[in-house]
Amino acid sequence: GAGVSQSPRYKVAKRGQDVALRCDPISGHVSLFWYQQALGQGPEFLTYFQNEAQLDKSGLPSDRFFAERPEGSVSTLKIQRTQQEDSAVYLCASSPTGTNYGYTFGSGTRLTVV
Amino acid sequence: DAKTTQPNSMESNEEEPVHLPCNHSTISGTDYIHWYRQLPSQGPEYVIHGLTSNVNNRMASLAIAEDRKSSTLILHRATLRDAAVYYCILRDVGGNMLTFGGGTRLMVKP
Repeated sequence: GAGVSQSPRYKVAKRGQDVALRCDPISGHVSLFWYQQALGQGPEFLTYFQNEAQLDKSGLPSDRFFAERPEGSVSTLKIQRTQQEDSAVYLCASSPTGTNYGYTFGSGTRLTVV
Repeated sequence: DAKTTQPNSMESNEEEPVHLPCNHSTISGTDYIHWYRQLPSQGPEYVIHGLTSNVNNRMASLAIAEDRKSSTLILHRATLRDAAVYYCILRDVGGNMLTFGGGTRLMVKP
C-alpha cells in the first residue's frame, strides 16, 4: 500500500488480557520502529528492526512487551497481562535504510486498558 | 543524546508566514536536524531535514544558523490544516531512532 497500515485502529482490553498490535510497513522499507505515545506527550521509542533483526529493544518498558518481525515485513507488538498504564497510542514507522530519509508513520493503535 | 528546546505553543493567522524556532546548543557535527509534525489523531508526518545548509521542499523551509545551535522551520503561508504539534529532532548520522520532545503546538486562526 501507499502508507504504513496499523490494525486495529482502536483496542479496548480488560486488565490482565493479552493484546497483539499489527503493523504493515511500506513495501521494501528495511527499518521498522515502534513508539508509544501517552496522552499529551511526544512519542517514545520502544524498539527497532532492520529487516527481521531486532537491533534495539531498549525502550520496551517491561518483559510484558514483545515485538517480532519474522519475515522482515509485517511486525507485531504483543503486550501480555495488560495494565492500565499501558493505555496509550502505539505508533509504527518504517523507512528505507540510511539517514537521508524521513520516517513514515502509521496512524497508530489506541489501546485502552480498563 | 543532544536535546532540543522549543516553545510549548505558538499562534498564527491564516495565510501568514510562521517561523517555528528550535534551539539545540549541544548539537554535534554528525547530527541532522529533522522536523516532523503531528496532526490530531494521526501519526507524526515527516516535514523536512538538513545538516548545515538551508533546505526547501514543497511543505516548508528549514533555516539553520551558521553555528548550527538553532534552526527555524518556516511555513510560508499557514493554512488551517497546518495546525499541529511540530517536533524538532536531532538524529545522528549513525543513529536510527528519533527522540521526540514535547514539540510546539501551532494554532492557526482564520
